[in-house]
Amino acid sequence: DIQMTQSPSSLSAPVGDRVTITCRASQSISSLLNWYQQKPGKGPQLLIYAASSLQSGVPSRFSGSGSGTDFTLTINSLQPEDSATYFCQQSYSTPYSFGQGTKLEIK
Amino acid sequence: QVQLVQSGAEVKKPGASVKVSCKSSGYPFTRYGINWVRQATGQGLEWMGWMNPKSGDTGYAQQFQGRVSMTRNTSISTAYMELSSLTSEDTAVFYCVRQYGDYADYWGQGTLVTVSS
Repeated sequence: DIQMTQSPSSLSAPVGDRVTITCRASQSISSLLNWYQQKPGKGPQLLIYAASSLQSGVPSRFSGSGSGTDFTLTINSLQPEDSATYFCQQSYSTPYSFGQGTKLEIK
Repeated sequence: QVQLVQSGAEVKKPGASVKVSCKSSGYPFTRYGINWVRQATGQGLEWMGWMNPKSGDTGYAQQFQGRVSMTRNTSISTAYMELSSLTSEDTAVFYCVRQYGDYADYWGQGTLVTVSS
């Protein structure tokens, strides 16, 4: 099974800042990496698919990059509504494992 | 618009089974796979398995093998996930998720299953 390791587990940043979340796979997953945002009491929502493709309707301040084993999610110009937990997930092979999540607090 | 609407919260005793439904609308039900994901309170996301709604083929994560069953009724565009031999560790929110090619795009609202004696 492929293990996904996210870092950091939590972070705090002010409105307007830029933050980066990383996700590392235990083996190469090509570009089959997706990012989700989850707000309290809600189901996850897809932000980025195939490592760098922005899901329709997602603000352009979100971007993704990487391939192979190392991936990043970048959020530019943080907004208060970006306060959430972010998860990566590999869709290279089943079981489609998730990272443990990164909780983002907006100061 | 695409919607996945799940059945309501359940309370079960240890050792019992639970069956969660997921009704799809807004797209051809048999065209895309359905995954199920578990999330214990305050915890991360755990992929349980997938089902091909057209063929009924399934694939389960090893930790659920033998006590999970994913089925469907194509006439009403509904997928089901049944989990048996419940323990307190199964207390969680369960999500159905549409697998659109190489990624999961639409999630159900989640179903809370509480296992308590």
